[in-house]
Amino acid sequence: EAGVAQSPRYKIIEKRQSVAFWCNPISGHATLYWYQQILGQGPKLLIQFQNNGVVDDSQLPKDRFSAERLKGVDSTLKIQPAKLEDSAVYLCASSLDDTGLAHNEQFFGPGTRLTVL
Amino acid sequence: GEDVEQSLFLSVREGDSSVINCTYTDSSSTYLYWYKQEPGAGLQLLTYIFSNMDMKQDQRLTVLLNKKDKHLSLRIADTQTGDSAIYFCAEKEYGQNFVFGPGTRLSVLP
Repeated sequence: EAGVAQSPRYKIIEKRQSVAFWCNPISGHATLYWYQQILGQGPKLLIQFQNNGVVDDSQLPKDRFSAERLKGVDSTLKIQPAKLEDSAVYLCASSLDDTGLAHNEQFFGPGTRLTVL
Repeated sequence: GEDVEQSLFLSVREGDSSVINCTYTDSSSTYLYWYKQEPGAGLQLLTYIFSNMDMKQDQRLTVLLNKKDKHLSLRIADTQTGDSAIYFCAEKEYGQNFVFGPGTRLSVLP
């Protein structure tokens, strides 16, 4: 079974530029998550999708970050414009379904490492 | 709010046991998890424990949960160089999202 795919793996941009990340979850997984992992910290949830609907985006800085999952499969996360503090690894994860059940294994992609200069 | 704390570094000798500790604040946490992250990779689920359990063993891994002190530990027996990684503790309350700790970097010395 193929895992969660992400691209690009690395991206270097200058502040105020725009950037987009792409995620392809495991086939059949209804739930998709985007996390931000700043160096030396644990992952922090940015947004959670259930199929093509947003379940939780309470920690997404909506003035500069946006995400979509139009057909309920692939997802893109965009930052526009980027700031220095956005330098982090952006992890995508997927799970079969998250209907509120506590145990719901998430499978993580390798992440995209963003450096903002 | 929820908070998960871990010590940031641990060094052990190959063949010894490693014990990674975690404390959490949310007493209503339903599940507690241990994830492993190797360089350049995403997080891999190692094991999890339901909050009504005290201990769970899975091959070389033993998880101990002290609900009174809100303390979780992961013991790795016979630690190998391949166990070198960052280990994240995470809590999840029913219907809520995961809250991850900062991670403990385990270094295994030959």
